[in-house]
Amino acid sequence: GAGVSQSPSNKVTEKGKDVELRCDPISGHTALYWYRQSLGQGLEFLIYFQGNSAPDKSGLPSDRFSAERTGGSVSTLTIQRTQQEDSAVYLCASSSFRTSIDTQYFGPGTRLTVL
Amino acid sequence: SQQGEEDPQALSIQEGENATMNCSYKTSINNLQWYRQNSGRGLVHLILIRSNEREKHSGRLRVTLDTSKKSSSLLITASRAADTASYFCATDDGGSYIPTFGRGTSLIVHP
Repeated sequence: GAGVSQSPSNKVTEKGKDVELRCDPISGHTALYWYRQSLGQGLEFLIYFQGNSAPDKSGLPSDRFSAERTGGSVSTLTIQRTQQEDSAVYLCASSSFRTSIDTQYFGPGTRLTVL
Repeated sequence: SQQGEEDPQALSIQEGENATMNCSYKTSINNLQWYRQNSGRGLVHLILIRSNEREKHSGRLRVTLDTSKKSSSLLITASRAADTASYFCATDDGGSYIPTFGRGTSLIVHP
């Protein structure tokens, strides 16, 4: 079946602009995660959605970052007034959430470059 | 949350050799997972080992878990150039629903 998809695959923007990144999880997966990965670094957790529960936003680095998940499916990560330090690969993952942590299925990521 | 740490940070070997990567963590866990990442893009799940398991195999992969030492190892036998990638461990930090990833081991397999 279809995996996790993300769009766009690459995004170049100017400092101060807003950007929206999209994630389409695997159908039926109730858990959705956003991560950020800077060059040569590990994954930095940003936000977690689980079903209809309130999202865990504890990883968002500033109030310029926000995310929504509509209808328990598609998610959008929005970065307002982008800064150069926001440049990174943004990864989305979904899982079926049967136990504490189920296998995560990752999308290909969106490479964001802020000039 | 606390982060797992992989070592070595980088590993360079010849095709056919075995590659061993280690992961250490700080809190108790319910399970630990290993992922592979090619070219800085999406991660691919390799294997999950639960806290009551000591060893698990999948093809050329062998994972061990020592909960007393809070460490795990990933062994890739008879490596291939296609195994060149970064490898990450992820832990659930005592049952948290948010996995904690280490910084990864960068493996280069020379043909």
